[in-house]
Formats: sequence, C-alpha cells, structure tokens
Amino acid sequence: QVQLQGSGPGLVKPSETLSLTCSVSRYYISSGYYWGWIRQPPGKGLEWIGSIYHSGSTYYNPSLKSRVTISVDTSKNHFSLQLSSVAATDTAVYYCACGRWLQFLDYWGQGNLVTVSS
Amino acid sequence: QSALTQPASVSGSPGQSITISCTGTSSDVGDYNFVSWYQQHPGKAPKLMIYDVSNRPSGVSNRFSGSKSGNTASLTISGLQAEDEADYYCSSYISSTTNVVFGGGTKLTVL
Repeated sequence: QVQLQGSGPGLVKPSETLSLTCSVSRYYISSGYYWGWIRQPPGKGLEWIGSIYHSGSTYYNPSLKSRVTISVDTSKNHFSLQLSSVAATDTAVYYCACGRWLQFLDYWGQGNLVTVSS
Repeated sequence: QSALTQPASVSGSPGQSITISCTGTSSDVGDYNFVSWYQQHPGKAPKLMIYDVSNRPSGVSNRFSGSKSGNTASLTISGLQAEDEADYYCSSYISSTTNVVFGGGTKLTVL
C-alpha cells in the first residue's frame, strides 16, 4: 500500500512561509491518485487544506486559497505544501494524504507538528 | 463553507450499537453520495472507515456501516469494542467549489 512521509521545519516565524514535503513510496505519483494536505490544530478537528491531481490540477479550501500552493514533483515522487503569511492560528499538525478520488483519503502520513512562533 | 455538524460526544457499552450523525446542507452532504468517515485514535493519523456514504475499504470491520438521508449522513458501529474508542470525523465533497469539508468530530467513549 501507499506510504507517505511528511517532512519540514517544525517552527516557522509569523508572516513567513510554511513549507512541507511529502515523500511517497510504494506508488508512483504520476500513476494517479489525488494528493492532499489536511491540518489539525492542537486539541481541535480536521481542516482540509487542498489537493492536487497527479496531472497537476489543484483544488483548495476557499478560506485558505489565497495563501496556499500545492505542487507535485514526479521526478522526486513527492508533493509539497506552501502556506504563506502564517500566523499563530496556523499552528497545527499537518498531514499529507492521498485518495483514489478527491472526496476521500485512503492513505495518510504520520503528521508533522508545525508551530508558528517568533 | 461551514464545517459539517456532528455531536461532540457519544457513548455506549461493549456489545451495543451506536450511531453518529453528520448534518450538512443540500450543497454538500445532500448533493452527492460523497460522504466519508474517519477514525482517529489519540496521537495517530486518521484512518478511512467509510467512503461514498456506505462503502468500506478493504480491512475495515463490517461492524462499521454508513448511510445517508437527505442532508444527514450517519455512521453506525455495531457490537462496540473497547478499541472503537476514538474520535470520528465525517467529510463531504462540495461540487460547487470542488473541495472537501470536514465535520467537527465526535468523541466515542466505550463505557
């Protein structure tokens, strides 16, 4: 089954850009699937950030759209998240995940805690 | 878009059945049969339990079932077991904006 491993800085300063990468194993990104990011603030619920299809089409949460970029690098078999102009409210565990279709997520990474603080 | 509405908590005794509701609108839950359910144990990543209202991924126990009526979807867990104690989240596709929205989550306690 597909395995996902997220990586990136655990601490980001306010107003800067949060960048995370999700490395995929046991599956080629170029073969299909929707690749997505979801976050969960400490003690709170899940929030869908957005997804990208293997062809490059992107789908974003309207409330985050102006600050989010999701991209795919098929040569490295990974996909990435960039969230600009972060604030303390962006502190969360960020999960990468993938699904056969946009509406659900079959496989999840372990999650990466990102804290926004000066 | 607003989060889907779930009860904050439900509880049941081992062997019993419980149902968790997920209420949305005609623009999300009521629009297509694209409702999913996830189970999340503390400190762990969510796990897909039900997709497209009532389909179980391979490996998920048949004690878990899903249904939908109008703008409300439901997850039923029969024969409750201690290991079912977790947080459960529903999600729905929104066709008008091609994105996904989650519910606020429900904490299931097995008494």
